[in-house]
Amino acid sequence: NAGVTQTPKFRILKIGQSMTLQCTQDMNHNYMYWYRQDPGMGLKLIYYSVGAGITDKGEVPNGYNVSRSTTEDFPLRLELAAPSQTSVYFCASSRSPNQPQHFGDGTRLSIL
Amino acid sequence: DAKTTQPPSMDCAEGRAANLPCNHSTISGNEYVYWYRQIHSQGPQYIIHGLKNNETNEMASLIITEDRKSSTLILPHATLRDTAVYYCIVNTGTASKLTFGTGTRLQVTL
Repeated sequence: NAGVTQTPKFRILKIGQSMTLQCTQDMNHNYMYWYRQDPGMGLKLIYYSVGAGITDKGEVPNGYNVSRSTTEDFPLRLELAAPSQTSVYFCASSRSPNQPQHFGDGTRLSIL
Repeated sequence: DAKTTQPPSMDCAEGRAANLPCNHSTISGNEYVYWYRQIHSQGPQYIIHGLKNNETNEMASLIITEDRKSSTLILPHATLRDTAVYYCIVNTGTASKLTFGTGTRLQVTL
């Protein structure tokens, strides 16, 4: 079972560049989430989605954008990369907010 | 929203039970207690969750005090592969309020 798949696994960006982190899930989950994890810290919620076409901000949304055109996909976009966005990004999905979340393996992003 | 407090680190000998405590003294009646773990830098892995009653599955047991202000995750026979950061989370059922703190770093040793 694939579960939650994130691509790429690693990426180095220059300041000011843009990129899209991809996330797809094959469990038909309505809820999807993007987190970032800085070294030695817990996870912080960036954006989440309750279904196709519906997204909302989490704790740290500045500098990011999301879209949800299908149930399966929930891409995260960085428009103008900044060093403060160097982090590990995790995508997750769940059937509902009261159900366990399933996480991808993460994207390790460095901005230099 | 209920916050959780966990010790930053714990050690456990292989084969022994690992008992990881969590304080959630401000928990509300409809909030679940969830436990996840993160091995190395992998994505967090769901372990177990509960509301009021004690719960057990193939991975662990969850003991919630009667007043629900604290809980304990029990790994009955810890192995080296259980070395990880363990997160205790109070889930309000609101997607925007999910918060992962810094967790407890469990080191299982020979």
